[in-house]
Amino acid sequence: DTAVSQTPKYLVTQMGNDKSIKCEQNLGHDTMYWYKQDSKKFLKIMFSYNNKELIINETVPNRFSPKSPDKAHLNLHINSLELGDSAVYFCASSPGTSGSSSYNEQFFGPGTRLTVL
Amino acid sequence: AQSVTQPDIHITVSEGASLELRCNYSYGATPYLFWYVQSPGQGLQLLLKYFSGDTLVQGIKGFEAEFKRSQSSFNLRKPSVHWSDAAEYFCAVGARGFGNEKLTFGTGTRLTIIP
Repeated sequence: DTAVSQTPKYLVTQMGNDKSIKCEQNLGHDTMYWYKQDSKKFLKIMFSYNNKELIINETVPNRFSPKSPDKAHLNLHINSLELGDSAVYFCASSPGTSGSSSYNEQFFGPGTRLTVL
Repeated sequence: AQSVTQPDIHITVSEGASLELRCNYSYGATPYLFWYVQSPGQGLQLLLKYFSGDTLVQGIKGFEAEFKRSQSSFNLRKPSVHWSDAAEYFCAVGARGFGNEKLTFGTGTRLTIIP
């Protein structure tokens, strides 16, 4: 019954490698996000997709490439990993960006802890 | 651009005592405000949210928050904390604009509960 799931939960890799993190939501939401939480617990948005279209790209290095094969999935691929990429990456989803006057709250996954050695 | 300030990095309270976590925001329009809690090694769970209307909002686990526009604040309160409330608490402001929904988080407040 997991709403937003991420795999893997932990990822340890060497500098220079390429890795992917997967995210899936079963809430029927239209919008998905990737956030990065650094070692000081600061959370910052990286990307958002709405119905498979990129909506937000917050000055993230182009080594990071999100891919949304369908609206239930948003994967994050990282090329040429660097030490500074070590962080916890959270996926989130929200109902969408319809014309509703209420803000669509976001539901977060459990996070993926990436360690680059 | 919106921003959130949580002035207290770490707060320690005794079990059973009352709690108030501070949050100040900066946003040019009507803010959408949230409090999330993150237990160790876990994801973020929404405690409560403010969109409009009554400025005192009730959330889960006995938490409440009050929106004060004049002070640009959205402080989180609980009358009596339990040991299980020990966690990291994040205040966030939401910006809405034609598909540009994103949350801007504060730096978090770590809550420690002592017996």
